[in-house]
Amino acid sequence: DQQVKQNSPSLSVQEGRISILNCDYTNSMFDYFLWYKKYPAEGPTFLISISSIKDKNEDGRFTVFLNKSAKHLSLHIVPSQPGDSAVYFCAASAVTGNQFYFGTGTSLTVIP
Amino acid sequence: GAVVSQHPSRVICKSGTSVKIECRSLDFQATTMFWYRQFPKKSLMLMATSNEGSKATYEQGVEKDKFLINHASLTLSTLTVTSAHPEDSSFYICSARGTSGSSFLYNEQFFGPGTRLTVL
Repeated sequence: DQQVKQNSPSLSVQEGRISILNCDYTNSMFDYFLWYKKYPAEGPTFLISISSIKDKNEDGRFTVFLNKSAKHLSLHIVPSQPGDSAVYFCAASAVTGNQFYFGTGTSLTVIP
Repeated sequence: GAVVSQHPSRVICKSGTSVKIECRSLDFQATTMFWYRQFPKKSLMLMATSNEGSKATYEQGVEKDKFLINHASLTLSTLTVTSAHPEDSSFYICSARGTSGSSFLYNEQFFGPGTRLTVL
């Protein structure tokens, strides 16, 4: 049972525009959320995180929004750059657990 | 800081042989390490969680006798794929989580670069 879902397997965006990647979760115990970026044949690299006490966290061009009532989070990349082209995974964990639950990933392509 | 390495990065082996993959946390102590497997165009599938000095906890459907995990020290975990078969060919990724003394290291998982296993 997929507790973290990314319903868009792929997304294409023009360079300079905004990329919005979405993630939904089902477990109300999750209170820590992360986004990872992954290039082919490489391990994921941490991008940005947010805890459930916040609804927004910003780091440079990357902003993560959390809507706890909707169990939804999104990653905004503004402006999008060709180097942002990668697969983006969202992940969630509960404070009492070790395990991170990953979504299935969204492949972002930024078109120059 | 928080660098995780994996060795080897690529391995090709014959069916029936065993392959060992190492995961090391280079600049922090990892009380917990995780082993993932990624199939093409699929999510990261957690295989097992290992805590230093104790037996690994395997996810449902993962054969513990097939995928042997040892977390002998706070900086090293190994995954051994025993009697490998072509269906074991995959991209294996480890991650490490630090001690609770540092919220940064504890709250994140730091991933290794992955190991591409090809079984002929």
